[in-house]
Amino acid sequence: LAKTTQPISMDSYEGQEVNITCSHNNIATNDYITWYQQFPSQGPRFIIQGYKTKVTNEVASLFIPADRKSSTLSLPRVSLSDTAVYYCLVGPYNTDKLIFGTGTRLQVFP
Amino acid sequence: GAVVSQHPSWVICKSGTSVKIECRSLDFQATTMFWYRQFPKQSLMLMATSNEGSKATYEQGVEKDKFLINHASLTLSTLTVTSAHPEDSSFYICSARAMQETQYFGPGTRLLVL
Repeated sequence: LAKTTQPISMDSYEGQEVNITCSHNNIATNDYITWYQQFPSQGPRFIIQGYKTKVTNEVASLFIPADRKSSTLSLPRVSLSDTAVYYCLVGPYNTDKLIFGTGTRLQVFP
Repeated sequence: GAVVSQHPSWVICKSGTSVKIECRSLDFQATTMFWYRQFPKQSLMLMATSNEGSKATYEQGVEKDKFLINHASLTLSTLTVTSAHPEDSSFYICSARAMQETQYFGPGTRLLVL
Protein backbone atom coordinates (compact mmCIF):
# COMPACT_ATOMS: atom_id res chain seq x y z
CA LEU A 1 0.00 0.00 0.00
CA ALA A 2 1.21 3.48 -0.84
CA LYS A 3 2.65 5.43 2.05
CA THR A 4 1.24 8.86 2.76
CA THR A 5 2.76 12.02 4.18
CA GLN A 6 0.71 14.78 5.78
CA PRO A 7 1.51 17.81 7.91
CA ILE A 8 1.39 16.87 11.56
CA SER A 9 -0.72 19.83 12.54
CA MET A 10 -2.51 22.88 11.20
CA ASP A 11 -4.21 25.85 12.80
CA SER A 12 -7.09 27.85 11.40
CA TYR A 13 -9.80 30.27 12.44
CA GLU A 14 -13.52 29.88 12.19
CA GLY A 15 -14.93 30.74 8.79
CA GLN A 16 -11.71 30.11 6.90
CA GLU A 17 -11.15 27.53 4.22
CA VAL A 18 -8.68 24.82 5.21
CA ASN A 19 -6.67 22.82 2.74
CA ILE A 20 -4.80 19.74 3.94
CA THR A 21 -2.40 18.22 1.46
CA CYS A 22 -1.33 14.60 1.42
CA SER A 23 1.63 13.24 -0.54
CA HIS A 24 1.50 9.73 -1.94
CA ASN A 25 4.29 9.45 -4.47
CA ASN A 26 4.02 5.68 -4.83
CA ILE A 27 0.29 5.51 -5.50
CA ALA A 28 -0.67 2.56 -7.67
CA THR A 29 -2.93 2.65 -10.71
CA ASN A 30 -5.80 0.96 -8.87
CA ASP A 31 -5.46 2.96 -5.66
CA TYR A 32 -8.11 5.33 -4.40
CA ILE A 33 -7.61 8.20 -1.96
CA THR A 34 -9.79 8.30 1.11
CA TRP A 35 -10.00 10.81 3.94
CA TYR A 36 -11.26 10.13 7.44
CA GLN A 37 -11.94 12.47 10.34
CA GLN A 38 -11.45 11.48 13.97
CA PHE A 39 -12.57 13.38 17.04
CA PRO A 40 -10.96 12.62 20.42
CA SER A 41 -12.16 9.34 21.92
CA GLN A 42 -14.26 8.49 18.88
CA GLY A 43 -13.87 6.21 15.91
CA PRO A 44 -12.90 7.65 12.52
CA ARG A 45 -15.61 8.96 10.24
CA PHE A 46 -15.46 8.67 6.46
CA ILE A 47 -15.31 12.08 4.79
CA ILE A 48 -14.63 11.63 1.11
CA GLN A 49 -13.05 9.33 -1.44
CA GLY A 50 -11.75 9.93 -4.94
CA TYR A 51 -9.64 8.57 -7.76
CA LYS A 52 -8.83 11.59 -9.92
CA THR A 53 -9.66 15.25 -10.60
CA LYS A 54 -12.21 16.60 -8.13
CA VAL A 55 -14.81 15.12 -5.86
CA THR A 56 -17.22 17.18 -3.79
CA ASN A 57 -19.82 16.28 -1.20
CA GLU A 58 -21.74 18.16 1.44
CA VAL A 59 -18.77 18.13 3.80
CA ALA A 60 -15.62 18.64 1.76
CA SER A 61 -13.91 18.67 -1.60
CA LEU A 62 -11.04 16.49 -2.70
CA PHE A 63 -8.65 17.71 -5.36
CA ILE A 64 -6.39 15.23 -7.12
CA PRO A 65 -3.90 16.39 -9.78
CA ALA A 66 -3.31 14.47 -12.96
CA ASP A 67 -0.23 12.64 -11.66
CA ARG A 68 -2.15 11.59 -8.51
CA LYS A 69 0.99 11.85 -6.41
CA SER A 70 -0.75 14.14 -3.99
CA SER A 71 -4.24 15.16 -2.99
CA THR A 72 -5.81 18.05 -1.11
CA LEU A 73 -8.75 17.89 1.23
CA SER A 74 -10.56 21.21 1.29
CA LEU A 75 -12.87 22.12 4.15
CA PRO A 76 -14.89 25.25 3.38
CA ARG A 77 -15.60 27.72 6.19
CA VAL A 78 -14.45 25.62 9.12
CA SER A 79 -16.05 25.87 12.53
CA LEU A 80 -14.82 24.96 15.99
CA SER A 81 -16.43 21.54 15.59
CA ASP A 82 -14.06 20.74 12.73
CA THR A 83 -11.20 20.48 15.22
CA ALA A 84 -10.07 16.89 14.76
CA VAL A 85 -7.43 14.65 13.26
CA TYR A 86 -7.70 14.09 9.53
CA TYR A 87 -6.25 10.96 7.96
CA CYS A 88 -5.37 10.45 4.31
CA LEU A 89 -5.37 6.82 3.19
CA VAL A 90 -4.40 5.34 -0.14
CA GLY A 91 -5.26 1.87 -1.33
CA PRO A 92 -7.44 -0.25 -3.59
CA TYR A 93 -11.13 0.61 -3.65
CA ASN A 94 -12.69 -0.19 -0.28
CA THR A 95 -9.72 -2.32 0.60
CA ASP A 96 -9.77 -4.47 3.71
CA LYS A 97 -6.52 -3.11 5.03
CA LEU A 98 -6.79 0.53 5.97
CA ILE A 99 -3.34 1.78 6.89
CA PHE A 100 -3.64 4.91 8.98
CA GLY A 101 -0.67 7.27 8.97
CA THR A 102 0.00 9.94 11.55
CA GLY A 103 -2.80 12.18 10.33
CA THR A 104 -3.08 15.97 10.52
CA ARG A 105 -4.29 17.50 13.73
CA LEU A 106 -6.43 20.51 12.78
CA GLN A 107 -7.11 23.07 15.48
CA VAL A 108 -9.76 25.67 14.73
CA PHE A 109 -9.75 28.84 16.84
CA PRO A 110 -12.62 31.24 17.40
CA GLY B 1 -24.58 6.32 6.76
CA ALA B 2 -24.37 2.90 8.36
CA VAL B 3 -24.18 2.69 12.13
CA VAL B 4 -21.75 0.59 14.13
CA SER B 5 -21.97 0.39 17.90
CA GLN B 6 -19.57 -0.85 20.54
CA HIS B 7 -20.17 -1.98 24.07
CA PRO B 8 -18.97 -1.07 26.57
CA SER B 9 -17.75 2.43 25.78
CA TRP B 10 -15.22 2.18 28.57
CA VAL B 11 -14.09 -0.48 30.99
CA ILE B 12 -11.73 -0.66 33.95
CA CYS B 13 -10.47 -4.04 35.07
CA LYS B 14 -7.87 -5.61 37.26
CA SER B 15 -4.72 -7.08 35.84
CA GLY B 16 -5.15 -10.73 34.95
CA THR B 17 -8.86 -10.59 34.18
CA SER B 18 -10.45 -10.95 30.76
CA VAL B 19 -12.53 -8.30 29.06
CA LYS B 20 -15.00 -8.73 26.23
CA ILE B 21 -15.86 -5.93 23.82
CA GLU B 22 -18.81 -6.19 21.46
CA CYS B 23 -19.11 -4.62 18.03
CA ARG B 24 -22.46 -4.50 16.26
CA SER B 25 -23.57 -3.30 12.86
CA LEU B 26 -27.02 -1.90 13.57
CA ASP B 27 -28.55 -1.37 10.15
CA PHE B 28 -26.59 -3.52 7.77
CA GLN B 29 -25.09 -6.97 7.54
CA ALA B 30 -21.34 -6.87 7.96
CA THR B 31 -19.56 -9.54 6.01
CA THR B 32 -16.27 -8.33 7.40
CA MET B 33 -15.37 -6.71 10.69
CA PHE B 34 -12.09 -5.22 11.76
CA TRP B 35 -10.47 -4.49 15.10
CA TYR B 36 -8.05 -1.62 15.65
CA ARG B 37 -6.10 -0.37 18.62
CA GLN B 38 -5.07 3.20 19.24
CA PHE B 39 -2.68 4.41 21.91
CA PRO B 40 -2.77 8.05 23.08
CA LYS B 41 -1.59 10.54 20.46
CA GLN B 42 -0.97 7.73 18.00
CA SER B 43 -2.69 6.47 14.90
CA LEU B 44 -4.98 3.47 14.56
CA MET B 45 -3.29 0.11 14.14
CA LEU B 46 -5.17 -2.76 12.55
CA MET B 47 -5.15 -5.80 14.82
CA ALA B 48 -7.25 -8.33 12.95
CA THR B 49 -9.81 -8.92 10.25
CA SER B 50 -12.72 -11.28 10.70
CA ASN B 51 -15.25 -12.66 8.27
CA GLU B 52 -18.53 -14.06 9.51
CA GLY B 53 -18.20 -17.73 10.35
CA SER B 54 -14.45 -17.83 9.77
CA LYS B 55 -11.37 -17.54 11.94
CA ALA B 56 -9.93 -14.09 12.24
CA THR B 57 -6.78 -13.07 10.41
CA TYR B 58 -4.36 -11.35 12.73
CA GLU B 59 -1.78 -8.75 11.79
CA GLN B 60 1.85 -9.45 12.43
CA GLY B 61 2.78 -8.96 16.06
CA VAL B 62 -0.76 -9.37 17.40
CA GLU B 63 -1.13 -12.39 19.69
CA LYS B 64 -4.18 -14.37 18.62
CA ASP B 65 -4.33 -16.23 21.93
CA LYS B 66 -4.45 -12.98 23.83
CA PHE B 67 -6.93 -11.16 21.62
CA LEU B 68 -9.71 -13.62 20.88
CA ILE B 69 -12.05 -12.58 18.10
CA ASN B 70 -15.39 -14.16 17.37
CA HIS B 71 -17.60 -13.18 14.45
CA ALA B 72 -20.55 -15.48 14.90
CA SER B 73 -23.15 -13.49 13.00
CA LEU B 74 -23.37 -10.85 10.29
CA THR B 75 -24.07 -8.17 12.87
CA LEU B 76 -21.86 -9.05 15.81
CA SER B 77 -18.17 -9.47 16.45
CA THR B 78 -16.50 -9.70 19.85
CA LEU B 79 -12.96 -9.05 20.97
CA THR B 80 -11.86 -10.65 24.21
CA VAL B 81 -8.68 -9.41 25.81
CA THR B 82 -7.54 -12.37 27.89
CA SER B 83 -5.47 -11.97 31.03
CA ALA B 84 -5.28 -8.25 30.51
CA HIS B 85 -2.26 -6.33 31.73
CA PRO B 86 -1.63 -2.60 32.08
CA GLU B 87 0.16 -2.47 28.73
CA ASP B 88 -3.11 -3.59 27.09
CA SER B 89 -4.73 -0.35 28.19
CA SER B 90 -5.74 1.37 24.99
CA PHE B 91 -8.61 2.58 22.82
CA TYR B 92 -10.09 -0.32 20.88
CA ILE B 93 -12.10 0.50 17.77
CA CYS B 94 -14.01 -1.82 15.51
CA SER B 95 -15.21 -1.24 11.99
CA ALA B 96 -17.60 -3.14 9.81
CA ARG B 97 -18.51 -3.26 6.18
CA ALA B 98 -20.83 -5.01 3.82
CA MET B 99 -19.44 -6.66 0.73
CA GLN B 100 -17.06 -4.30 -1.14
CA GLU B 101 -18.44 -1.28 0.69
CA THR B 102 -16.83 1.43 2.79
CA GLN B 103 -15.76 0.58 6.33
CA TYR B 104 -17.85 2.21 9.05
CA PHE B 105 -16.26 2.65 12.44
CA GLY B 106 -17.66 2.19 15.89
CA PRO B 107 -17.29 4.79 18.64
CA GLY B 108 -14.48 2.89 20.34
CA THR B 109 -13.98 1.28 23.75
CA ARG B 110 -11.47 2.65 26.19
CA LEU B 111 -9.84 -0.08 28.27
CA LEU B 112 -7.91 0.68 31.44
CA VAL B 113 -6.17 -2.20 33.15
CA LEU B 114 -5.07 -1.54 36.70
